[in-house]
Amino acid sequence: NAGVTQTPKFRVLKTGQSMTLLCAQDMNHEYMYWYRQDPGMGLRLIHYSVGEGTTAKGEVPDGYNVSRLKKQNFLLGLESAAPSQTSVYFCASSPITGTDHREAFFGQGTRLTVV
Amino acid sequence: EDQVTQSPEALRLQEGESSSLNCSYTVSGLRGLFWYRQDPGKGPEFLFTLYSAGEEKEKERLKATLTKKESFLHITAPKPEDSATYLCAVRGGGFKTIFGAGTRLFVKA
Repeated sequence: NAGVTQTPKFRVLKTGQSMTLLCAQDMNHEYMYWYRQDPGMGLRLIHYSVGEGTTAKGEVPDGYNVSRLKKQNFLLGLESAAPSQTSVYFCASSPITGTDHREAFFGQGTRLTVV
Repeated sequence: EDQVTQSPEALRLQEGESSSLNCSYTVSGLRGLFWYRQDPGKGPEFLFTLYSAGEEKEKERLKATLTKKESFLHITAPKPEDSATYLCAVRGGGFKTIFGAGTRLFVKA
């Protein structure tokens, strides 16, 4: 039972380079999220998706794009990396039960450094 | 604006020394308050969801309680393996779930 899997786990980028982070979940969850975690600031929502083919902006969406072509996958793209995007990125998924918000299941994280 | 503040930032305990972590929140129409545990280099792991004031939930040495303005995570007789960062998050009427910065707990044998 893999849960939520993120690839890659580590990456170093040069300023201006682009990359895509992949998140895959095998729990058939409708909701998926991308967060970034910075020291002293908690987790901040970048983008989220409430189902296949849908995406929406979170708290800090600038400089990122996402796609959810398949229900089990949620991709996060950086078009032109900047040092301010150095962070640990977490993907999460959660089920929905009526109007109840259920707990989120998180991946192991991707540590990204932009130099 | 929805907000979550956790205190203290760090807490050092001796094994067996019980204590509490605080999560103060402001949110429009609470739809859920969540506690997660995060170990170094790993993603957060779900512990509890609380939905209404007066609700309590327990799991091993942990007990979470909720009032209209704050939640407490009580740790009874902690062990070194309880050392981790504990995150609190709230969800209001909108979609967004807001996380606090966390409390780093260190338990010494």
